[in-house]
Amino acid sequence: DIQMTQSPSSLSASVGDRVTITCRASQSISSFLNWYQQKPGKAPKVLIYAASSLQSGVPSRFSGSGSGTDFTLTISSLQPEDLATYYCQQSYSTPWTFGQGTKVEIK
Amino acid sequence: EVQLVESGGGLVQPGGSLRLSCAASGFTFSTYSMNWVRQAPGKGLEWISYISSTSSTIYYADSVKGRFTISRDNAKNSLYLQMNTLRAEDTAVYYCARYFGSTYSLDYWGQGTLVTVSS
Repeated sequence: DIQMTQSPSSLSASVGDRVTITCRASQSISSFLNWYQQKPGKAPKVLIYAASSLQSGVPSRFSGSGSGTDFTLTISSLQPEDLATYYCQQSYSTPWTFGQGTKVEIK
Repeated sequence: EVQLVESGGGLVQPGGSLRLSCAASGFTFSTYSMNWVRQAPGKGLEWISYISSTSSTIYYADSVKGRFTISRDNAKNSLYLQMNTLRAEDTAVYYCARYFGSTYSLDYWGQGTLVTVSS
């Protein structure tokens, strides 16, 4: 199985800050990497697919990059509504696996 | 509007069975692959099963293989998860999620249904 490791596990940042979350795969997954946002008490929502493509309707302050084993989710200017846990997920091979999540808090 | 609505969760004793349902609307259900993903209380997301649009391809996570069965009824726009021999570690919110093949991602999720396995 492909292991997905996210860092950090949690972070606290101020409104307007640039936030970066990293995700590392245990083997190459090309660009088969998705990012999801899960707000408290809600279902996950896809933000980024194929490592760097923005899902329709998602604010442009979210961006993704990377390929192979190392990936990054960036929030260019953190907003109060971005309070959530963010998960990376590989769709390269089953079993599809998720990172452990990064909880983003607002200072 | 795409909607996925799960039902069937509840409290069940260890060793018991439960059948979850997911009612789909707002899209042509028969042309999409579907998945179940679960989340234990306070924990992360775990993919557990996939079924293709025609049911010809099915995958399971090792954690549920042999105990859970995914199925679908395209005439009823419904997805199912039959869960047998339930364990305490199966306690979780269970989400159904649509797979969008063009993006290789889970693009729509239901609100989830809670399954609690406890005596």
